[in-house]
Amino acid sequence: DGGITQSPKYLFRKEGQNVTLSCEQNLNHDAMYWYRQDPGQGLRLIYYSQIVNDFQKGDIAEGYSVSREKKESFPLTVTSAQKNPTAFYLCASSIGGAIWGYTFGSGTRLTVV
Amino acid sequence: DQQVKQNSPSLSVQEGRISILNCDYTNSMFDYFLWYKKYPAEGPTFLISISSIKDKNEDGRFTVFLNKSAKHLSLHIVPSQPGDSAVYFCAASNTGNQFYFGTGTSLTVIP
Repeated sequence: DGGITQSPKYLFRKEGQNVTLSCEQNLNHDAMYWYRQDPGQGLRLIYYSQIVNDFQKGDIAEGYSVSREKKESFPLTVTSAQKNPTAFYLCASSIGGAIWGYTFGSGTRLTVV
Repeated sequence: DQQVKQNSPSLSVQEGRISILNCDYTNSMFDYFLWYKKYPAEGPTFLISISSIKDKNEDGRFTVFLNKSAKHLSLHIVPSQPGDSAVYFCAASNTGNQFYFGTGTSLTVIP
C-alpha cells in the first residue's frame, strides 16, 4: 500500500540535543512538506521541497533543517537552536504542489525533557 | 497572526442532520481552499477542495461553499453520520504550495 511513514511516533529529547524525524513516502510524489501543530494553533509550515536536492523555508524554519537527497525521503532535524521544540510534527507529500491535496503521515510527537 | 480562522472549536450534531463547519480568512489573495479531516492519532486526510473561480463544490455528502466577498467558506455534511466525528481543518493558499491552516473544529455526531 502506498503512503507516508513517519517514525518514530513518540520521541523524547533532552534539551540541547539535535534530533531527526524520519519521513518516507512510496507514492512517487514530487513535493514533500513538514508542518508543526501546537495546541490551539493551525498547522504551520516549516519546510517544503518540490524536487530532489531543493527545499524552501516555510513560516517557522528557524531552528530546523532538512535534506532531500532522495525523492522518497525528507528528514527533518530539530536542532538545539529551536526554542520550543515540543510539538506534534506532520509530514506530507503531494503529487505536484499542494493544490492537488496533501497526503499526510500519522505524525511524530516530540517532547523535550 | 492567524490568516485562517475556525472560530468554533467544537460542534455537536444529531445523526442524520446537517453539520456546518465554518472558516474565515483574512488574505484576499487566497485562491484555493482545502478541507481536511483528522481522526485521533492519524494524519489529516484530504476531503474536498474549491478554487476561487467557483462558489460551490460538491462531493457526495460533502459540499463546500465559498463567499469571496465575505472571505468565508463553509463545509456542509448532510446527512451527518457517526463516522464523520473527527477534527476538520480548513486550509487556504495563494501560491498552491504553502497552505495556511485553521485551528480545527471537532465535530461530534451523536447517534
